[in-house]
Amino acid sequence: QVQLQESGPGLVKPSETLSLTCTVSGASISGSDYHWGWIRQPPGKGLEWIGSVSDSGATDYNPSLKSRLTISEDTSKNQFSLNLSSLSAADTAVYYCASVTRVGAFDYWGQGILVTVSS
Amino acid sequence: DILMTQSPSSLSASVGDRVTITCRASQTVSMFLNWYQQKPGRAPKLVIYGASSLQSGVPSRFSGNGRGTNFTLTISSLQPEDFATYYCQQSYSTLKWTFGQGTKVDI
Repeated sequence: QVQLQESGPGLVKPSETLSLTCTVSGASISGSDYHWGWIRQPPGKGLEWIGSVSDSGATDYNPSLKSRLTISEDTSKNQFSLNLSSLSAADTAVYYCASVTRVGAFDYWGQGILVTVSS
Repeated sequence: DILMTQSPSSLSASVGDRVTITCRASQTVSMFLNWYQQKPGRAPKLVIYGASSLQSGVPSRFSGNGRGTNFTLTISSLQPEDFATYYCQQSYSTLKWTFGQGTKVDI
């Protein structure tokens, strides 16, 4: 069974960069049928797709975040990461990592990490 | 962007009821439509993928239907553990995947 676990800071200052890591177990992030993605959910609101990285390292980003976003993978650690720069209060959310099937469904999810942007 | 609109936004139902949630896309998404269940404080859980395929381990009382722009999620006999918020998601667009705003099912 695939398991994912997010890690990173719970509090970040405005204008700074958020760095989150997702550690995957039960599957290899390279050479598998999966892509790997990030989704976020502001408190009390709905879900927003952030972006994805394929098993070959190719990335797709939400156009509304693209200018501030980098998603990368570290195959040696079986991890993938998110960097989101120039943070504002609007970026406060629970951030989830997930595995993405070939039809674009998020089938396994991490437990989520609440990130608050505040001075 | 492909806008996904769910209806209703919330509904009240009883155990044993048949419940149907609708998701409409602003343009065709073919059958690239997925449904998720989310309980408070928990990560979403995939219920239906590809518009009508039941995710492994999900009870058969859940079913999905539709193609193009109109989709439904049906729970044939609502159980206590089914009270949650349900989201649809399109994965058709190569530019941006989008979710519906959610439908809360409560007692």
